[in-house]
Amino acid sequence: GIQVEQSPPDLILQEGANSTLRCNFSDSVNNLQWFHQNPWGQLINLFYIPSGTKQNGRLSATTVATERYSLLYISSSQTTDSGVYFCAARNSGNTPLVFGKGTRLSVIA
Amino acid sequence: GAVVSQHPSRVICKSGTSVKIECRSLDFQATTMFWYRQFPKQSLMLMATSNEGSKATYEQGVEKDKFLINHASLTLSTLTVTSAHPEDSSFYICSATDGPGELFFGEGSRLTVL
Repeated sequence: GIQVEQSPPDLILQEGANSTLRCNFSDSVNNLQWFHQNPWGQLINLFYIPSGTKQNGRLSATTVATERYSLLYISSSQTTDSGVYFCAARNSGNTPLVFGKGTRLSVIA
Repeated sequence: GAVVSQHPSRVICKSGTSVKIECRSLDFQATTMFWYRQFPKQSLMLMATSNEGSKATYEQGVEKDKFLINHASLTLSTLTVTSAHPEDSSFYICSATDGPGELFFGEGSRLTVL
Protein backbone atom coordinates (compact mmCIF):
# COMPACT_ATOMS: atom_id res chain seq x y z
CA GLY A 1 0.00 0.00 0.00
CA ILE A 2 0.86 3.64 -0.12
CA GLN A 3 3.50 4.95 2.30
CA VAL A 4 3.54 8.44 3.74
CA GLU A 5 6.60 10.09 5.24
CA GLN A 6 6.69 13.42 7.02
CA SER A 7 9.56 15.70 7.92
CA PRO A 8 10.79 17.04 10.18
CA PRO A 9 9.54 14.87 13.05
CA ASP A 10 9.94 17.71 15.54
CA LEU A 11 10.12 21.46 15.12
CA ILE A 12 10.54 24.28 17.60
CA LEU A 13 9.76 27.81 16.47
CA GLN A 14 9.87 31.25 17.98
CA GLU A 15 6.52 32.98 17.83
CA GLY A 16 6.25 34.94 14.58
CA ALA A 17 8.52 32.65 12.58
CA ASN A 18 7.53 30.84 9.40
CA SER A 19 7.86 27.12 8.74
CA THR A 20 7.44 24.49 6.06
CA LEU A 21 6.36 20.93 6.76
CA ARG A 22 6.90 18.27 4.12
CA CYS A 23 4.96 15.13 3.21
CA ASN A 24 6.26 12.57 0.70
CA PHE A 25 4.11 9.75 -0.59
CA SER A 26 5.08 6.61 -2.45
CA ASP A 27 2.34 6.38 -5.07
CA SER A 28 -0.10 8.50 -7.01
CA VAL A 29 -2.93 9.80 -4.85
CA ASN A 30 -6.53 10.81 -5.32
CA ASN A 31 -6.76 12.28 -1.85
CA LEU A 32 -4.30 14.08 0.38
CA GLN A 33 -5.27 15.81 3.59
CA TRP A 34 -3.44 17.82 6.24
CA PHE A 35 -4.60 17.78 9.85
CA HIS A 36 -3.71 19.51 13.07
CA GLN A 37 -4.24 17.42 16.18
CA ASN A 38 -4.95 19.60 19.18
CA PRO A 39 -3.95 18.74 22.77
CA TRP A 40 -7.34 17.05 23.33
CA GLY A 41 -6.73 14.71 20.42
CA GLN A 42 -9.23 16.20 18.02
CA LEU A 43 -8.17 16.13 14.39
CA ILE A 44 -8.74 19.49 12.77
CA ASN A 45 -8.97 19.18 9.00
CA LEU A 46 -6.73 21.86 7.52
CA PHE A 47 -6.71 21.07 3.82
CA TYR A 48 -8.07 18.57 1.35
CA ILE A 49 -5.49 19.00 -1.38
CA PRO A 50 -4.81 16.12 -3.81
CA SER A 51 -3.18 18.65 -6.13
CA GLY A 52 -2.56 22.37 -6.49
CA THR A 53 -2.34 25.12 -3.91
CA LYS A 54 -4.76 26.35 -1.28
CA GLN A 55 -4.59 29.05 1.35
CA ASN A 56 -6.50 29.60 4.54
CA GLY A 57 -5.35 32.57 6.58
CA ARG A 58 -1.78 32.03 7.77
CA LEU A 59 -1.74 28.48 6.44
CA SER A 60 -1.26 27.34 2.90
CA ALA A 61 -0.55 24.02 1.26
CA THR A 62 0.79 22.85 -2.06
CA THR A 63 0.67 19.34 -3.50
CA VAL A 64 2.80 18.43 -6.50
CA ALA A 65 1.20 15.12 -7.36
CA THR A 66 3.58 14.29 -10.21
CA GLU A 67 6.54 14.54 -7.83
CA ARG A 68 4.69 12.88 -4.95
CA TYR A 69 5.02 15.48 -2.24
CA SER A 70 2.99 18.06 -0.41
CA LEU A 71 4.07 21.06 1.66
CA LEU A 72 2.28 22.85 4.48
CA TYR A 73 3.34 26.42 5.14
CA ILE A 74 2.72 28.16 8.42
CA SER A 75 3.41 31.87 8.46
CA SER A 76 3.72 34.18 11.48
CA SER A 77 3.38 31.23 13.83
CA GLN A 78 1.49 31.59 17.10
CA THR A 79 1.62 29.53 20.27
CA THR A 80 -1.82 28.15 19.42
CA ASP A 81 -0.28 26.54 16.34
CA SER A 82 1.51 24.07 18.60
CA GLY A 83 0.53 20.44 18.29
CA VAL A 84 1.01 17.60 15.86
CA TYR A 85 0.50 18.02 12.14
CA PHE A 86 -0.42 14.94 10.16
CA CYS A 87 -0.42 14.34 6.45
CA ALA A 88 -2.55 11.47 5.15
CA ALA A 89 -3.11 10.11 1.68
CA ARG A 90 -5.00 7.46 -0.22
CA ASN A 91 -4.81 6.34 -3.81
CA SER A 92 -8.10 4.77 -4.79
CA GLY A 93 -11.85 4.85 -4.32
CA ASN A 94 -12.93 3.65 -0.90
CA THR A 95 -9.55 2.89 0.61
CA PRO A 96 -8.64 4.44 3.96
CA LEU A 97 -6.30 7.35 4.49
CA VAL A 98 -2.77 6.29 5.42
CA PHE A 99 -1.19 8.64 7.94
CA GLY A 100 2.38 9.79 8.24
CA LYS A 101 4.03 9.80 11.64
CA GLY A 102 3.41 13.51 12.06
CA THR A 103 5.42 16.63 12.79
CA ARG A 104 5.33 17.79 16.40
CA LEU A 105 5.43 21.59 16.39
CA SER A 106 6.15 23.69 19.43
CA VAL A 107 5.82 27.45 19.12
CA ILE A 108 7.37 29.34 22.00
CA ALA A 109 6.66 32.93 23.00
CA GLY B 1 -17.62 20.51 5.45
CA ALA B 2 -19.49 17.40 6.42
CA VAL B 3 -19.89 16.51 10.09
CA VAL B 4 -19.05 13.24 11.79
CA SER B 5 -20.06 12.90 15.42
CA GLN B 6 -18.49 10.37 17.76
CA HIS B 7 -19.76 9.40 21.19
CA PRO B 8 -18.71 9.11 23.95
CA SER B 9 -15.68 11.37 23.93
CA ARG B 10 -14.31 9.81 27.10
CA VAL B 11 -15.07 6.52 28.80
CA ILE B 12 -13.57 4.78 31.78
CA CYS B 13 -14.47 1.17 32.41
CA LYS B 14 -13.42 -1.77 34.52
CA SER B 15 -11.38 -4.60 33.08
CA GLY B 16 -13.59 -7.30 31.62
CA THR B 17 -16.49 -5.07 30.65
CA SER B 18 -17.57 -4.07 27.14
CA VAL B 19 -17.70 -0.56 25.75
CA LYS B 20 -19.58 0.69 22.69
CA ILE B 21 -18.47 3.72 20.68
CA GLU B 22 -20.80 5.30 18.12
CA CYS B 23 -19.85 7.14 14.96
CA ARG B 24 -22.51 9.08 13.06
CA SER B 25 -22.43 11.01 9.82
CA LEU B 26 -24.81 13.88 10.46
CA ASP B 27 -25.34 15.43 7.04
CA PHE B 28 -24.30 12.84 4.49
CA GLN B 29 -24.65 9.15 3.82
CA ALA B 30 -21.45 7.33 4.67
CA THR B 31 -21.04 4.34 2.42
CA THR B 32 -17.74 3.54 4.10
CA MET B 33 -16.46 4.18 7.60
CA PHE B 34 -12.99 3.59 8.93
CA TRP B 35 -11.89 3.01 12.52
CA TYR B 36 -8.46 4.10 13.69
CA ARG B 37 -6.59 3.70 16.95
CA GLN B 38 -3.93 6.01 18.28
CA PHE B 39 -1.55 5.26 21.13
CA PRO B 40 0.22 8.11 22.98
CA LYS B 41 2.75 9.98 20.86
CA GLN B 42 2.06 7.77 17.86
CA SER B 43 0.25 8.16 14.59
CA LEU B 44 -3.20 6.91 13.68
CA MET B 45 -3.31 3.25 12.72
CA LEU B 46 -6.18 1.76 10.77
CA MET B 47 -8.09 -0.96 12.60
CA ALA B 48 -10.88 -1.81 10.20
CA THR B 49 -12.98 -0.73 7.26
CA SER B 50 -16.74 -1.06 7.34
CA ASN B 51 -19.18 -0.78 4.47
CA GLU B 52 -22.87 -0.37 5.13
CA GLY B 53 -24.66 -3.69 5.28
CA SER B 54 -21.60 -5.92 5.07
CA LYS B 55 -19.01 -7.35 7.42
CA ALA B 56 -16.07 -5.21 8.42
CA THR B 57 -12.60 -5.85 7.03
CA TYR B 58 -9.98 -5.91 9.77
CA GLU B 59 -6.31 -5.02 9.48
CA GLN B 60 -3.72 -7.64 10.27
CA GLY B 61 -3.22 -7.99 14.00
CA VAL B 62 -6.62 -6.57 14.98
CA GLU B 63 -8.79 -9.15 16.73
CA LYS B 64 -12.22 -9.17 15.13
CA ASP B 65 -13.77 -10.91 18.13
CA LYS B 66 -12.49 -8.23 20.49
CA PHE B 67 -13.33 -5.21 18.33
CA LEU B 68 -16.83 -5.74 16.98
CA ILE B 69 -17.82 -3.33 14.25
CA ASN B 70 -21.35 -2.86 13.00
CA HIS B 71 -22.36 -0.56 10.14
CA ALA B 72 -26.08 -1.18 10.02
CA SER B 73 -27.11 2.08 8.36
CA LEU B 74 -25.64 4.72 6.08
CA THR B 75 -25.25 7.11 9.00
CA LEU B 76 -24.12 4.95 11.89
CA SER B 77 -21.23 2.64 12.66
CA THR B 78 -20.42 1.25 16.08
CA LEU B 79 -17.24 -0.17 17.58
CA THR B 80 -17.64 -2.42 20.60
CA VAL B 81 -14.56 -3.28 22.61
CA THR B 82 -15.44 -6.56 24.27
CA SER B 83 -13.92 -7.80 27.52
CA ALA B 84 -11.72 -4.74 27.67
CA HIS B 85 -8.28 -4.92 29.26
CA PRO B 86 -5.86 -2.14 30.23
CA GLU B 87 -3.86 -2.66 27.03
CA ASP B 88 -6.98 -1.67 25.06
CA SER B 89 -6.76 1.81 26.56
CA SER B 90 -6.29 4.11 23.61
CA PHE B 91 -7.77 6.90 21.52
CA TYR B 92 -10.24 5.59 18.94
CA ILE B 93 -11.24 7.77 15.97
CA CYS B 94 -13.71 7.07 13.22
CA SER B 95 -13.86 8.58 9.77
CA ALA B 96 -16.52 8.50 7.12
CA THR B 97 -16.85 9.11 3.42
CA ASP B 98 -19.47 8.96 0.72
CA GLY B 99 -16.99 8.28 -2.06
CA PRO B 100 -13.44 8.78 -3.27
CA GLY B 101 -13.03 12.38 -2.05
CA GLU B 102 -12.40 13.90 1.32
CA LEU B 103 -12.65 11.88 4.54
CA PHE B 104 -14.28 13.40 7.60
CA PHE B 105 -13.28 12.50 11.13
CA GLY B 106 -15.11 12.25 14.41
CA GLU B 107 -13.89 13.93 17.58
CA GLY B 108 -12.39 10.71 18.91
CA SER B 109 -13.10 8.59 21.97
CA ARG B 110 -10.55 8.18 24.73
CA LEU B 111 -10.92 4.79 26.41
CA THR B 112 -9.33 4.07 29.77
CA VAL B 113 -9.60 0.54 31.12
CA LEU B 114 -8.85 0.15 34.82
